[in-house]
Amino acid sequence: GEKVEQHESTLSVREGDSAVINCTYTDTASSYFPWYKQEAGKGLHFVIDIRSNVDRKQSQRLIVLLDKKAKRFSLHITATQPEDSAIYFCAAVASSSFSKLVFGQGTSLSVVP
Amino acid sequence: DMKVTQMPRYLIKRMGENVLLECGQDMSHETMYWYRQDPGLGLQLIYISYDVDSNSEGDIPKGYRVSRKKREHFSLILDSAKTNQTSVYFCASSSGGADTQYFGPGTRLLVL
Repeated sequence: GEKVEQHESTLSVREGDSAVINCTYTDTASSYFPWYKQEAGKGLHFVIDIRSNVDRKQSQRLIVLLDKKAKRFSLHITATQPEDSAIYFCAAVASSSFSKLVFGQGTSLSVVP
Repeated sequence: DMKVTQMPRYLIKRMGENVLLECGQDMSHETMYWYRQDPGLGLQLIYISYDVDSNSEGDIPKGYRVSRKKREHFSLILDSAKTNQTSVYFCASSSGGADTQYFGPGTRLLVL
């Protein structure tokens, strides 16, 4: 089945710099890649997604890139702010069921002033 | 207001006791999920429910069962809890397919 690897377990950036979180997946048939943010003590909430028919998507300061050949996708957070500090999870839809997501292990992002 | 609620938020049980975790959603979503979150492992899917009485095992169903008798309500049951079931449990719902999942705030379960 699908496996999603999230490469950075922790990441620290200075406020105003960009942060990049990288993920790889194994199932060539995967077509949907969402990102979720988890603030301390809370549940996950959706931040942005990308589908396999495009290779780039932007929503305000968030950019997602998808490289289907390399089976890799990444989240870029530009002009980081302290409120961006959280755990970020990448995910991919399982080809066995479009309702199932397989999550990466999470990246703890710290934005330091 | 799109919301997923979970009760209780914190729970301490002794090994061998039964545990009931409850989840509700107000979005009339057909699909609901139970996950557990452990450090370094991300989220692991325990069960998925496609609608009332239409439940399917996820990746780690052993030791758990679920009940969905109303579309807005999904329960996770641990019969005879084990210490390795200490975790944070999240419920989520979605309208199905590759659509956004909405998560509850989680239940922290400690099994002694």
